[in-house]
Amino acid sequence: GIQVEQSPPDLILQEGANSTLRCNFSDSVNNLQWFHQNPWGQLINLFYIPSGTKQNGRLSATTVATERYSLLYISSSQTTDSGVYFCAGLSNFGNEKLTFGTGTRLTIIP
Amino acid sequence: DVKVTQSSRYLVKRTGEKVFLECVQDMDHENMFWYRQDPGLGLRLIYFSYDVKMKEKGDIPEGYSVSREKKERFSLILESASTNQTSMYLCASSSTVIAFFGQGTRLTVV
Repeated sequence: GIQVEQSPPDLILQEGANSTLRCNFSDSVNNLQWFHQNPWGQLINLFYIPSGTKQNGRLSATTVATERYSLLYISSSQTTDSGVYFCAGLSNFGNEKLTFGTGTRLTIIP
Repeated sequence: DVKVTQSSRYLVKRTGEKVFLECVQDMDHENMFWYRQDPGLGLRLIYFSYDVKMKEKGDIPEGYSVSREKKERFSLILESASTNQTSMYLCASSSTVIAFFGQGTRLTVV
């Protein structure tokens, strides 16, 4: 199956700062998604982004499928952005399992 | 909005007990998944199902079984709970693209 790596593993920022989270894949992937897990454990789907760029408020994501990476941008961070961010994808080669990275833990300090 | 509901938020069971974790979705999704989440390991797939009475092993199926008798319900069964199965368990359902998660069940086996 595909391997998913996320960086950095931990990120601590002051409120108002911008951040970039990265997701690398070991093989061709489709169905790439970004999730945010809040401090209570709930996983929320942020983006479905197999390729290209999408924006939703202060968050945006870019996937370059040919180079096997995706980036999540958070601008003007707020304390409510704290939590763990996961990316996940399906292999293009018939493996139907949605594979997750180990996550980036983001802490926004007031 | 899609709703995925897990039967318990917190659960404490004794070693050797048979444990049932229930998950129900209300959007007629074909696909349902069970993951466990452990610190530093991200989300690991236990089992998934693409149709009623159909199941596929994920990456860590040992010690678990599943049941999908109805489309909206996917149950995870710990045949004989052990302390190394203490974890956060997350259920998800998806259409062909986007996955939606339940709130998670934090299981402690003592």
